[in-house]
Amino acid sequence: GAGVSQSPSNKVTEKGKDVELRCDPISGHTALYWYRQSLGQGLEFLIYFQGNSAPDKSGLPSDRFSAERTGGSVSTLTIQRTQQEDSAVYLCASSLAGARNTEAFFGQGTRLTVV
Amino acid sequence: GESVGLHLPTLSVQEGDNSIINCAYSNSASDYFIWYKQESGKGPQFIIDIRSNMDKRQGQRVTVLLNKTVKHLSLQIAATQPGDSAVYFCAETPGFQKLVFGTGTRLLVSP
Repeated sequence: GAGVSQSPSNKVTEKGKDVELRCDPISGHTALYWYRQSLGQGLEFLIYFQGNSAPDKSGLPSDRFSAERTGGSVSTLTIQRTQQEDSAVYLCASSLAGARNTEAFFGQGTRLTVV
Repeated sequence: GESVGLHLPTLSVQEGDNSIINCAYSNSASDYFIWYKQESGKGPQFIIDIRSNMDKRQGQRVTVLLNKTVKHLSLQIAATQPGDSAVYFCAETPGFQKLVFGTGTRLLVSP
């Protein structure tokens, strides 16, 4: 597609349930990022994938959060046993190379609400 | 994780004015900086970037200034328009490849 695609656009889940958020990056982009944005606040880094290198998971807030990227393309962010504080917009971005070289393009985000 | 968790400062200007949005970055090792614009309900959009071997870069109606001595970045928007109303974020690349966002600024443009 023309841009980064995220699905679903909105997700309401009950506390304690697991959720999966999907990101389709721009074709050919080797770098992929996940960020979390709470209402009215900035972007919190979660995880970064670059090609076949080991991902940078330093931003994942707890072991309930995990992400994978299959075949160097689509990525899934999984949140297990969701809590109300997980409610936020989850943004995915991709770039042609690493962050030091090229701009990152963002998707529209998935708004997660945990009730 | 690395984050900005503060309430966003707001800059209010009149249509036609020039706007200056400031950002203090944290890591002296960062060598690439980007300004993003985020409209309500949308993901951030690239505006302009600058590398650390430059101190100024101009785009269409926008200019980014970089002062490495004091680790300060600014975005200047000329002849601000109502469509410029959004939240603006600066981002840096500390260490290796990770892109870290600074505190956003909400720009409100009155007609």
